[in-house]
Amino acid sequence: NAGVTQTPKFQVLKTGQSMTLQCAQDMNHEYMSWYRQDPGMGLRLIHYSVGAGITDQGEVPNGYNVSRSTTEDFPLRLLSAAPSQTSVYFCASSLYLGTGSGEQYFGPGTRLTVT
Amino acid sequence: KQEVTQIPAALSVPEGENLVLNCSFTDSAIYNLQWFRQDPGKGLTSLLLIQSSQREQTSGRLNASLDKSSGRSTLYIAASQPGDSATYLCAVDSWGKLQFGAGTQVVVTP
Repeated sequence: NAGVTQTPKFQVLKTGQSMTLQCAQDMNHEYMSWYRQDPGMGLRLIHYSVGAGITDQGEVPNGYNVSRSTTEDFPLRLLSAAPSQTSVYFCASSLYLGTGSGEQYFGPGTRLTVT
Repeated sequence: KQEVTQIPAALSVPEGENLVLNCSFTDSAIYNLQWFRQDPGKGLTSLLLIQSSQREQTSGRLNASLDKSSGRSTLYIAASQPGDSATYLCAVDSWGKLQFGAGTQVVVTP
């Protein structure tokens, strides 16, 4: 199993540009989520999904869109990049156990810089 | 709103000492609590997951306890090794949303 894969590993954007961060998993996990990690602030949840066609907002959703058309893929779209979105982005997946998630598997991350 | 705190922010110990890492949370209505390890420039690796109905979990040299009523979890790493140097994060799952602490950076010196 490849586990959780993320592309690209690094990206530089100019303010106002849009892009999509890709995330895929091959473990048939229902639960997928996106986090951003900033120095001294831990990981903050952006959006999450408990199955295909179902998404919900996390703690910091503004400026980001998601969709979940398949179990395997959960792309994160930046609509109009801003310097405040410079961060490391992690995707994670797990089983979904009805009222909560299971053991989380994380991807290697995408380091995004917005100039 | 759930808040998760990890103290201390950084810790340095000589090889062979036991490590004790603390995690506290404000809302006891949690589904589970997980401990992760993160190496510099890498993603997170799950170490232990404790369901809300459990008091502790063990894996090798690692032991994690959970006291929901007091909003605390402790990760014990026995007989630390230089390879244990990393940042350790805890996260609580409240209704499917994970809230992370800021982490404890651990350095184990030979």
